[in-house]
Parts: sequence; structure tokens; C-alpha cells
Amino acid sequence: AAGVIQSPRHLIKEKRETATLKCYPIPRHDTVYWYQQGPGQDPQFLISFYEKMQSDKGSIPDRFSAQQFSDYHSELNMSSLELGDSALYFCASSLEQGLGRNTGELFFGEGSRLTVL
Amino acid sequence: KQEVTQIPAALSVPEGENLVLNCSFTDSAIYNLQWFRQDPGKGLTSLLLIQSSQREQTSGRLNASLDKSSGRSTLYIAASQPGDSATYLCAVRGGSGGSNYKLTFGKGTLLTVNP
Repeated sequence: AAGVIQSPRHLIKEKRETATLKCYPIPRHDTVYWYQQGPGQDPQFLISFYEKMQSDKGSIPDRFSAQQFSDYHSELNMSSLELGDSALYFCASSLEQGLGRNTGELFFGEGSRLTVL
Repeated sequence: KQEVTQIPAALSVPEGENLVLNCSFTDSAIYNLQWFRQDPGKGLTSLLLIQSSQREQTSGRLNASLDKSSGRSTLYIAASQPGDSATYLCAVRGGSGGSNYKLTFGKGTLLTVNP
């Protein structure tokens, strides 16, 4: 079965540079979520999109922005990178409309590991 | 603000033992609850989803229960195996005044199953 695809899997950047992470949700899923997980931490919610509209916003820095495109893939743009941005960034997707047993279940990608030097 | 707590933070058991992981949440008006497994440096694998109207879900050796009114969920693992060693995360969606479009995670239970 198709899963959530994230790219790149690993990314190394210098301070003050810009990074873009991409997420391709499971086909037919209508909602995308972004999470940040620091070393030894639980995942922290950044932002979510339902049907290409922002549906909720968490602790996402103003230096970060995200959007969901017409083909439902999403991108997380991070500018003016800081050392503290080094983390695993996860994308997840879910199907919110429907009556299937998996409705509302989040499926996560393998993550993109960002290292800021 | 929804808060999720998991007890214990770490658990070490011999192979074959049955075990229970606990999760509690502060706001009982949840949309659903999910249990995940995470191996070091890897992604989160969904184990079980319990909708707010359900009391439990089972998958193989795993059974998760939900008591919404008391704000608790348990994950029961039967006949544990070394391959079950991982961090187990509980996460809830929703809560009064909040949206259903995010999961709030607990800090996880690090499980080690010794051969």
C-alpha cells in the first residue's frame, strides 16, 4: 500500500540558509499535517491543511511557512535557519471525509532529518 | 489546552510477559485517540485508532481501551517479544475549544523486551 512520501530524507544546511521539505500524502487523503521532533522529544504540531486550506496552526515559527497544492502535496519552507531548527520533520496525512474504519487515522512518513550547522 | 501524559516513561520486561502502557489526557472531549510505535530515528507507525464512540480496538497481540469520561487509555501487549522494543506514543485529537485537525502527543513509553 502507498504510504506518505517525504523528501529529502536528509538535509544539511548552514545557519541563515533556507530549506524546503516536500510531502506527498497517501492517495485520496484530504488532510496533511506537519510535525517537528527534536532529539528525545515528542512530536510537536506545526500546521495542518484540509482540502488545501489551513485547518490548524501550532507552534510554527514565523520563519516557517507551508502550503498544500492542487495535487494535495505539501511543502514546508523554512528560512533564516537556526541551530535549534535541527530536528526530524514529519508529514502525516489522513482521510477526514468518509465512513471507513481508517477515517481520521493519521499515517506518518519516514521524516526528513534537517541538520543546521 | 489538551495535555497527554504517559506512564511509565520507560519499561523493561522479560520476553513473553504481558504488559500495559498507560495514557491519560486532560480534556475528555476528544475526537479520537491513536497509539503509535516509533523505532529510534524512524517514523511513527500507527498501531491502533480508537474513535471517541468506541471502547476498545484490537490488532493481533495489541489491545487498546478508551475511557473517555475518565480521560484514560491503555495499550495492552500480550506475550511480548524483543521485536516489540520501541517507544510507544499515545496521541489524541480534539478537545473543548480546539480543532480536530491536530494530534497532541504524550512523551512516550520506552519499552525494552529482553530475550
